[in-house]
Amino acid sequence: AQSVSQHNHHVILSEAASLELGCNYSYGGTVNLFWYVQYPGQHLQLLLKYFSGDPLVKGIKGFEAEFIKSKFSFNLRKPSVQWSDTAEYFCAVKDDKIIFGKGTRLHILP
Amino acid sequence: KAGVTQTPRYLIKTRGQQVTLSCSPISGHRSVSWYQQTPGQGLQFLFEYFSETQRNKGNFPGRFSGRQFSNSRSEMNVSTLELGDSALYLCASSDGQALVVETQYFGPGTRLLVL
Repeated sequence: AQSVSQHNHHVILSEAASLELGCNYSYGGTVNLFWYVQYPGQHLQLLLKYFSGDPLVKGIKGFEAEFIKSKFSFNLRKPSVQWSDTAEYFCAVKDDKIIFGKGTRLHILP
Repeated sequence: KAGVTQTPRYLIKTRGQQVTLSCSPISGHRSVSWYQQTPGQGLQFLFEYFSETQRNKGNFPGRFSGRQFSNSRSEMNVSTLELGDSALYLCASSDGQALVVETQYFGPGTRLLVL
């Protein structure tokens, strides 16, 4: 069965630092990939998604992710984080159903 | 458009009881998915309903069941509650067209505590 691994459970960064959150899924074929974000006290919401085409996907709030098929990876990046990016981030893959990673808690120090 | 709504928001039950949670999707959305979120296991897919039919199912025991009504509202039922069922139960709705990578919109969740 498909599975998703997020390498970092908890990340602490200072404002203006660059961010990369790792995500790997277990097997190939046609997959659709997502990053979701859950800000404190808010609903889970979509950050970006990939289903075909350009492997570099741009999302909301300056986030982007790169799909590397050969590495089964879909890492999330942001060049300069802000305090308001403090949240929990979930990578997800869909083949017949959506499978989520266990999440990465990101804490940005002001 | 109003977002996905879930009721109740909080619930306390005792072991052995049963519980029913409700989800109202975004207007026009025909697919409703349910997830269980716990600190240890993260977000786990329970099932998806589309046009009143279960379209996909996760790896949960038969104590977890659901249904969808003709207006796309969905209910989830857990019978014979166990302590380990304490979790945040999330509902997500989408347009439901399987050929399109639709975005799921999540509700605020129902936090269930089993004592």
